[in-house]
Amino acid sequence: QQPVQSPQAVILREGEDAVINCSSSKALYSVHWYRQKHGEAPVFLMILLKGGEQKGHDKISASFNEKKQQSSLYLTASQLSYSGTYFCGTDSGGYQKVTFGTGTKLQVIP
Amino acid sequence: GAVVSQHPSRVICKSGTSVKIECRSLDFQATTMFWYRQFPKKSLMLMATSNEGSKATYEQGVEKDKFLINHASLTLSTLTVTSAHPEDSSFYICSASGTSGNNEQFFGPGTRLTVL
Repeated sequence: QQPVQSPQAVILREGEDAVINCSSSKALYSVHWYRQKHGEAPVFLMILLKGGEQKGHDKISASFNEKKQQSSLYLTASQLSYSGTYFCGTDSGGYQKVTFGTGTKLQVIP
Repeated sequence: GAVVSQHPSRVICKSGTSVKIECRSLDFQATTMFWYRQFPKKSLMLMATSNEGSKATYEQGVEKDKFLINHASLTLSTLTVTSAHPEDSSFYICSASGTSGNNEQFFGPGTRLTVL
């Protein structure tokens, strides 16, 4: 089953924060986060491998709640370059096979 | 490092013809490669997983005889869409994972296939 992301779409003004949630019906081994610009392949943002793990770089961070089979991506002080569609990817078996979530379209406006 | 290339980036073909898409890992050995298909405004859907030297594992609903995958070396996997039809028009993306064990996948730039 495909992980469900929320919200489906969000519009932010530069400098605002956003949270994107990813929820799976299966137990998770790891969660990946990607950003995709229109017409391009996804770009890897980060992997979370352990329940409760949090990671981040620049102003983008993520958390992984293994018990709840959920992950959240946090974008703070958004920039125009953050615009794109964000996908979580979940790995339930530890075999690197990633199932992509439904996607969240983020648009940052001046 | 960790660059994956795909060729061609765009292809237009007539209905009934076959199209081959190459996926190469340029600076690392890819033990496993994955093929995805993405329709407009939709998520990526995994088609198959290929391991070097063995047969690909296809996801449910993906026709093995239509989408032929070959992973002949640690740096090259190919996807051949046989007897293509307009409904096969899509964005095909490959990814590769190496031997580092950190589960990261590196994506190719994608191939846009249009079948007329």
